[in-house]
Amino acid sequence: GEDVEQSLFLSVREGDSSVINCTYTDSSSTYLYWYKQEPGAGLQLLTYIFSNMDMKQDQRLTVLLNKKDKHLSLRIADTQTGDSAIYFCAALGEGSQGNLIFGKGTKLSVKP
Amino acid sequence: NAGVTQTPKFQVLKTGQSMTLQCAQDMNHNSMYWYRQDPGMGLRLIYYSASEGTTDKGEVPNGYNVSRLNKREFSLRLESAAPSQTSVYFCASSEIWGTDAFFGQGTRLTVV
Repeated sequence: GEDVEQSLFLSVREGDSSVINCTYTDSSSTYLYWYKQEPGAGLQLLTYIFSNMDMKQDQRLTVLLNKKDKHLSLRIADTQTGDSAIYFCAALGEGSQGNLIFGKGTKLSVKP
Repeated sequence: NAGVTQTPKFQVLKTGQSMTLQCAQDMNHNSMYWYRQDPGMGLRLIYYSASEGTTDKGEVPNGYNVSRLNKREFSLRLESAAPSQTSVYFCASSEIWGTDAFFGQGTRLTVV
């Protein structure tokens, strides 16, 4: 089955760019997602990308997809302290049941 | 626009007690899911329901049962709670083709 891997921690300074990386195993994954979870809160969908796209930009967020290497990244420009959270990469698993397979999450810490 | 609503938000159970976690969505989605989130483990799928009247096991179904009461509601039952079931539980819903999933705010369950 699908497996999604992420690094667990990332620390950046306010104003810098953050890049969170993710790899997945199932080349047939059709949609890939980034979710944000703030402390004590639920998951908030940030953005998603369809597998036939290489890049998607939405304000400060840029998603890059390398389908050959099964690598997904999320770049946050001008990172702010309010961006401190856990970021989850997720892939749409097999069977098209809409079941998302999640990575373990990357904790982003933004230092002032 | 409530989205996905979970009740209760917090619960403490004694070992062996039973309880039902409730979830309702108002987006007319076909698919609904129950995930648990544990530190360092990311989100793991417990059960899902691709449509009204159907349910299927996910990655970690042992110790749980589910009911898809109607299209709106999907409940998760712990028949005999164990300390290993201490976790944060998230309900989610999506269109069957999984363009995105909307999550509830979570239920923080502690079993003592």
